[in-house]
Amino acid sequence: DAKTTQPPSMDCAEGRAANLPCNHSTISGNEYVYWYRQIHSQGPQYIIHGLKNNETNEMASLIITEDRKSSTLILPHATLRDTAVYYCIVRVGGATNKLIFGTGTLLAVQP
Amino acid sequence: NAGVTQTPKFQVLKTGQSMTLQCAQDMNHEYMSWYRQDPGMGLRLIHYSVGAGITDQGEVPNGYNVSRSTTEDFPLRLLSAAPSQTSVYFCASGSRGVNTEAFFGQGTRLTVV
Repeated sequence: DAKTTQPPSMDCAEGRAANLPCNHSTISGNEYVYWYRQIHSQGPQYIIHGLKNNETNEMASLIITEDRKSSTLILPHATLRDTAVYYCIVRVGGATNKLIFGTGTLLAVQP
Repeated sequence: NAGVTQTPKFQVLKTGQSMTLQCAQDMNHEYMSWYRQDPGMGLRLIHYSVGAGITDQGEVPNGYNVSRSTTEDFPLRLLSAAPSQTSVYFCASGSRGVNTEAFFGQGTRLTVV
């Protein structure tokens, strides 16, 4: 599986967009980019995933560069409840039983 | 739907004791997995299963056993607990297919003294 690199921490002002970067320069053609978050030691929660096209759902947007070597998770209007550790995971599509987590990015949303 | 249910939520064991962490899901998912999370670290995969009767090892399987006799249940057994197994344990389930996600339980916090 491709390795991912994320900044250890980021701050964001409440109401502003939070942009969380992820580098995955060794990603293979059949590997998807998944994002999960973990709020205060609860079980991780799925956010979004994509292969090569940009994706948007009710929680967030995922922007994947054309060469697929990096991606950005966008929370359009961050709230205090979005404070969490965000994990970027690269995985063969459908292999949701074998997720390999790194240390993620701690996003702190400030009032 | 209850989703993924883990029991117990908290447990203290003495070194050498055995116990089983329970995990049940009511979503008819083929895939189930166990992870552990140590302080300040991401989750690490212990064991996983792609269906009833089929299990395989993850990144850190030593000291743990699993079995999958039904689709719904995936218990994790510690045969002889050690202090190094003090951790938070998460169970997850998911279905096959490309556009699927993993659903996680709320975790079991285990302390081995």
